[in-house]
Amino acid sequence: DAKTTQPPSMDCAEGRAANLPCNHSTISGNEYVYWYRQIHSQGPQYIIHGLKNNETNEMASLIITEDRKSSTLILPHATLRDTAVYYCIVRNQGAQKLVFGQGTRLTINP
Amino acid sequence: DTEVTQTPKHLVMGMTNKKSLKCEQHMGHRAMYWYKQKAKKPPELMFVYSYEKLSINESVPSRFSPECPNSSLLNLHLHALQPEDSALYLCASSQDDRGYEQYFGPGTRLTVT
Repeated sequence: DAKTTQPPSMDCAEGRAANLPCNHSTISGNEYVYWYRQIHSQGPQYIIHGLKNNETNEMASLIITEDRKSSTLILPHATLRDTAVYYCIVRNQGAQKLVFGQGTRLTINP
Repeated sequence: DTEVTQTPKHLVMGMTNKKSLKCEQHMGHRAMYWYKQKAKKPPELMFVYSYEKLSINESVPSRFSPECPNSSLLNLHLHALQPEDSALYLCASSQDDRGYEQYFGPGTRLTVT
């Protein structure tokens, strides 16, 4: 699976959009981009995934660049409960494993 | 029901003890996973069960012994652990083991004394 690079930490004001970047320059054609988050003392939570089109669900939006070498997870109106470590994971279609990188620690400030 | 439950929430055990961690899901998922997470580190995969058969063992020491008695249950038997095995042990499940999103339980916080 391709390696991902994320900033170790980010801050965002409550009510604003949180934009979390992820670089995956070695991604191959059949690899998906997944995002999970882990709130303190809880298990990771699936957020969203995509292949090449932008995706949106009730939690977030995922914007993947046309060359697929980077992506951005957008939390449109961040709340204090969105404070968590966010993991960007590149995963081969049909792969058994989920390999977590170091993630981005997002802090939402009041 | 999209919940994965794990018991106990916390466990303290000595190096000579034998204990078990339990994980349960009722989503009809056919793949289940054990992860280990040390403090301030990402989760690391330990085992994958697919259709109740062990499909991946990430070179985990034999003092950790997984068991999948049925499609809803996953156990992790612990014996002769070391203090460095202290960690958060996470269970997850997915529809099957071919690329579906995984649902995680809250974890068991294990301390080995």
